[in-house]
Amino acid sequence: KAGVTQTPRYLIKTRGQQVTLSCSPISGHRSVSWYQQTPGQGLQFLFEYFSETQRNKGNFPGRFSGRQFSNSRSEMNVSTLELGDSALYLCASSLNSVNTEAFFGQGTRLTVV
Amino acid sequence: QKEVEQDPGPLSVPEGAIVSLNCTYSNSAFQYFMWYRQYSRKGPELLMYTYSSGNKEDGRFTAQVDKSSKYISLFIRDSQPSDSATYLCAMSNSAGGYQKVTFGTGTKLQVIP
Repeated sequence: KAGVTQTPRYLIKTRGQQVTLSCSPISGHRSVSWYQQTPGQGLQFLFEYFSETQRNKGNFPGRFSGRQFSNSRSEMNVSTLELGDSALYLCASSLNSVNTEAFFGQGTRLTVV
Repeated sequence: QKEVEQDPGPLSVPEGAIVSLNCTYSNSAFQYFMWYRQYSRKGPELLMYTYSSGNKEDGRFTAQVDKSSKYISLFIRDSQPSDSATYLCAMSNSAGGYQKVTFGTGTKLQVIP
């Protein structure tokens, strides 16, 4: 069974640009959550999608957005990048939104210069 | 004050030692308690999860939850160099029909051969 796949693995962008990250969950999983991980703040919840609907959102500015497609694949977008957006962005998939057994991808390392 | 507090370490122990990793929390609504292990440049992987108070054992790992003290622990027996990683505690509560997960910042563990 294939795991959670995130692409790309690494990205370097300049301030003001926008970026789109992709996540393919485990086959059959319908819930996808996104997290930002930084050394100082740890894992911070961005948002969760279930069956193409955003079910939960963390405390991030509107520059951070996401969506989920009918095949459960998800994308997150960050517009007008800031230096502080440099982080590891992790996607986690679970069977449904009440299942706490979440499986993480390897993450996308975003560096904003 | 953060909802979940975790000592960042680093924690350095000799091979074969018993390791104790801990988290405290303030939200009494937390119902599920999880431990994740994260190797460098990888996404977190779920080690154990428990529901409510008590102990759960899986091989060399024991998870302990004390809801009255709002304190959870992960014990690693006969620690191995391959256990060197960052350990993240996570807790969740039901919010509007789905689980909202909050992570600790992680404790970095090094097991010295």
